[in-house]
Amino acid sequence: ILNVEQSPQSLHVQEGDSTNFTCSFPSSNFYALHWYRWETAKSPEALFVMTLNGDEKKKGRISATLNTKEGYSYLYIKGSQPEDSATYLCNMDTGRRALTFGSGTRLQVQP
Amino acid sequence: DSGVTQTPKHLITATGQRVTLRCSPRSGDLSVYWYQQSLDQGLQFLIQYYNGEERAKGNILERFSAQQFPDLHSELNLSSLELGDSALYFCASSGAGASTGELFFGEGSRLTVL
Repeated sequence: ILNVEQSPQSLHVQEGDSTNFTCSFPSSNFYALHWYRWETAKSPEALFVMTLNGDEKKKGRISATLNTKEGYSYLYIKGSQPEDSATYLCNMDTGRRALTFGSGTRLQVQP
Repeated sequence: DSGVTQTPKHLITATGQRVTLRCSPRSGDLSVYWYQQSLDQGLQFLIQYYNGEERAKGNILERFSAQQFPDLHSELNLSSLELGDSALYFCASSGAGASTGELFFGEGSRLTVL
């Protein structure tokens, strides 16, 4: 079981603020990194899958970067909105499909 | 709708009892995963099946067992239930081969042990 860590554990921001959080993972046996968004009372949904060092992915106001050599990925949210409030999970895939999630970053955006 | 179906959605039972949670993966997905989310905890990986065979095991208790059937649906059996087994149990599936490997989650089965 891999050691995937996310920080911070929780984050409270005001509407309109930009924010970012980190997923750290062991750089050996890397195949892919997945980000998921998990809203309260719902099930996690995939946001991004990233495979190459230097990858950048974007979906609306949310973007992510990947550094496989040093073992981290950043998720950025520009101009946070209340509907961005959720727990953001990352998950490293060694090629045997993703098994272990980080504990997540819980984001609360205040109107 | 992720295409992953879990039943039942809610289950209340007593300590010492046994329950079975069922999961139907997305059409065509060969892998099924089970996760447990206890109060204020993240997703804890329990077990993975691929095309009927156990592929990987996480921190799954000996009182718990699972299997994947020829039609690819999976069942998670929880026995000798304890209060601490109360949790939300998620099933997820993923595609084989060239898929991106992302997991598609069901809505979860909430188990309450009284």
